[in-house]
Amino acid sequence: GAGVSQSPSNKVTEKGKDVELRCDPISGHTALYWYRQSLGQGLEFLIYFQGNSAPDKSGLPSDRFSAERTGGSVSTLTIQRTQQEDSAVYLCASSSPWVGQFFGPGTRLTVL
Amino acid sequence: EDKVVQSPLSLVVHEGDTVTLNCSYEVTNFRSLLWYKQEKKAPTFLFMLTSSGIEKKSGRLSSILDKKELFSILNITATQTGDSAVYLCAVEDTNAGKSTFGDGTTLTVKP
Repeated sequence: GAGVSQSPSNKVTEKGKDVELRCDPISGHTALYWYRQSLGQGLEFLIYFQGNSAPDKSGLPSDRFSAERTGGSVSTLTIQRTQQEDSAVYLCASSSPWVGQFFGPGTRLTVL
Repeated sequence: EDKVVQSPLSLVVHEGDTVTLNCSYEVTNFRSLLWYKQEKKAPTFLFMLTSSGIEKKSGRLSSILDKKELFSILNITATQTGDSAVYLCAVEDTNAGKSTFGDGTTLTVKP
């Protein structure tokens, strides 16, 4: 596609359930990022994939969060045993050197 | 650790005013500085700056980078209500490859 896509656009889940969020980056972009943004807050870096290198997981808030990127393209962010504080908009972005990051529309996660 | 500080945190102006948003940064190995506009969910890309003193311009928006003093400004002239948004600044680190974002400036343009 022409831009970064994310699915689902909205997800409502019950506390304790697992969720999977998907990101399809722009074709050919080597880097992929996941961010989290709570209401009225700035972007919180979660994880970064660059090519075939080991991902930078330094932003993941707990071991309930994990992400993978298959075949250097699609990425899935998984949150296990969701908590209410996980409620936020989860943004994915992709980039290549010297072109900047382009963001997907985000997934709004609500944990009841 | 890379760091980006934006100022002011928020700004309220009237249509037709000119605004200047500031971004200062610390980064180990600078690659680029990026400006984004965020209205609803996702930030949209505005500018990428890599060289000092070269102004990037798009319509009423312009931006310039000073790599010696480690800051950038984003100017918006003849503001319109549609310019109301959060403006985000980010720096890319060459070695790490990842970006560090500031907390943003919330601009409100009143009719």
